[in-house]
Amino acid sequence: QQPVQSPQAVILREGEDAVINCSSSKALYSVHWYRQKHGEAPVFLMILLKGGEQKGHDKISASFNEKKQQSSLYLTASQLSYSGTYFCGTEDNTGTASKLTFGTGTRLQVTL
Amino acid sequence: DAGVIQSPRHEVTEMGQEVTLRCKPISGHDYLFWYRQTMMRGLELLIYFNNNVPIDDSGMPEDRFSAKMPNASFSTLKIQPSEPRDSAVYFCASSFRQGRNTGELFFGEGSRLTVL
Repeated sequence: QQPVQSPQAVILREGEDAVINCSSSKALYSVHWYRQKHGEAPVFLMILLKGGEQKGHDKISASFNEKKQQSSLYLTASQLSYSGTYFCGTEDNTGTASKLTFGTGTRLQVTL
Repeated sequence: DAGVIQSPRHEVTEMGQEVTLRCKPISGHDYLFWYRQTMMRGLELLIYFNNNVPIDDSGMPEDRFSAKMPNASFSTLKIQPSEPRDSAVYFCASSFRQGRNTGELFFGEGSRLTVL
């Protein structure tokens, strides 16, 4: 089943912060985050593996709450280049399968 | 490395025709994924391979779709016969497994299919 992301869309002014949430109905082993710009392929941002783990990439960071089966992506001091659609991808904690299922997507637009 | 290479980039065909999409993964990667992206359904996993072996094809919509990976450097996704509802962008992605989890997915530029 597809993980659910919220919000579906958000508009920010440059310099503002945003949080994107990803929620799954299944126990998760890992969460991926990708960004896709219009007309391009998704590009990897980061992977989170452990409960409560946080990672950072420049001014973009993420957390993974294994117990709640949720992950959040934090964008601080947003830049115009952050615009795009953000997808979480989840890997179920079942067997050894490596099936990565993507969420519904969150469209982010950063304006001047 | 050249990255994941897909062809064709654009395909326009008529309903009922056979469509073949091609993918060359990154050398050394052991996983290959085929995804379909539409506005309505987002990014859907169709099928994935591990070491050229199909692992999960539960996302393949119906028997009209088939995928093969005859060797580590080539995969095809075939639709026969094609229908207008198959119109979408088809992405191929490859990764290198790191322990238990799927590694970073590297996506090709996609094949935009339009079925008239």
